[in-house]
Amino acid sequence: AQSVTQLGSHVSVSEGALVLLRCNYSSSVPPYLFWYVQYPNQGLQLLLKYTSAATLVKGINDFEAEFKKSETSFHLTKPSAHMSDAAEYFCAVRWNNQGGKLIFGQGTELSVKP
Amino acid sequence: NAGVTQTPKFQVLKTGQSMTLQCAQDMNHEYMSWYRQDPGMGLRLIHYSVGAGITDQGEVPNGYNVSRSTTEDFPLRLLSAAPSQTSVYFCASSYSTSGDIQYFGAGTRLSVL
Repeated sequence: AQSVTQLGSHVSVSEGALVLLRCNYSSSVPPYLFWYVQYPNQGLQLLLKYTSAATLVKGINDFEAEFKKSETSFHLTKPSAHMSDAAEYFCAVRWNNQGGKLIFGQGTELSVKP
Repeated sequence: NAGVTQTPKFQVLKTGQSMTLQCAQDMNHEYMSWYRQDPGMGLRLIHYSVGAGITDQGEVPNGYNVSRSTTEDFPLRLLSAAPSQTSVYFCASSYSTSGDIQYFGAGTRLSVL
């Protein structure tokens, strides 16, 4: 079965440091890729998505992600972490041959230290 | 626009009780889905629908039932609640099944005692 893996269930960075959250997917068939953020006790909000245009995708709040087909990866980065970035981040993948199902990774909780 | 609306926000059930979680969207989206969120497991797909009258099973469908009689509504029924169904449930919708964004409701927090 096709799957999504997020490396690291918890990531901690200092304020102002680089944020790197990793996401790998299992299939060589190019998918649609998404990153969502969930703040405590809230629903999910879209950060950014990749749909086969530019491989570097810019999202909200200075987040960006790069699609690397050879590595089947879609890692999320932000140059400088802010305290308000503390949240849980989910990578999600959709394949055309899967009936439109959106498959989520396990999530990565980001903590930002002052 | 209200977007995706879920009711109730919180619910406590006793084992064996049944209930329906409501989900409605006002964006004329064809695709709707239900997920459950459990710690360390991300969101797992329960059931989904690609249009009115069409539903299919996701990753964890056992113990849940859905129907899609209208484009707007996609209720999730728990037939006989079990403690293992204690979770946060999210409904989502999108215009189509390709690269369109899925919009999520605020969630329903369910406890089964």
